Amino acid sequence: RKEVEQDPGPFNVPEGATVAFNCTYSNSASQSFFWYRQDCRKEPKLLMSVYSSGNEDGRFTAQLNRASQYISLLIRDSKLSDSATYLCVVYSGTYKYIFGTGTRLKVLA
Amino acid sequence: DGGITQSPKYLFRKEGQNVTLSCEQNLNHDAMYWYRQDPGQGLRLIYYSQIVNDFQKGDIAEGYSVSREKKESFPLTVTSAQKNPTAFYLCASSIVRDQPQHFGDGTRLSIL
Repeated sequence: RKEVEQDPGPFNVPEGATVAFNCTYSNSASQSFFWYRQDCRKEPKLLMSVYSSGNEDGRFTAQLNRASQYISLLIRDSKLSDSATYLCVVYSGTYKYIFGTGTRLKVLA
Repeated sequence: DGGITQSPKYLFRKEGQNVTLSCEQNLNHDAMYWYRQDPGQGLRLIYYSQIVNDFQKGDIAEGYSVSREKKESFPLTVTSAQKNPTAFYLCASSIVRDQPQHFGDGTRLSIL
């Protein structure tokens, strides 16, 4: 089992739709969790951190389920500009950040 | 504005050549990292540094070397021993461990 797993997608959704991605992790001792957005051929940019049960920032909501070992990202009212790859990152201690391979989102006009 | 600067944006390496990728940050972060990204794969850690004059190997350190002589700078050398260097190289920093990382805009390395 991979340490961090994401559905690669693509998720094709119409503008205005709500879409959710999940990310599962294998190390139950993992402490911190992050969602990044990465545009094609660009660097990852931090979307939000998840340290406890969840976090919300505008149209974006991240939730952590420690019992089932997954985090989720919910995007409401999708915009064309939300089209990107979303990376799940799990911090597992000793400067070890484990990156998922990303979920591609395409928002369609 | 604070941030991380990587240079060059594109780099071409000849067979048998060593090349050095630059990474400078003005965020006053203690920890710095180098990652490699290949198509369809997650970022893989090459080296990290917790503090000046200290650095540790990551998961794929073979064929690479680093130095950390200043807090702001963490250059990566891709040596001729790295047989498959073509990739997107990303430098990152964090204020301390377990805090989010901030990334530079990357260097694309190709073989001539």
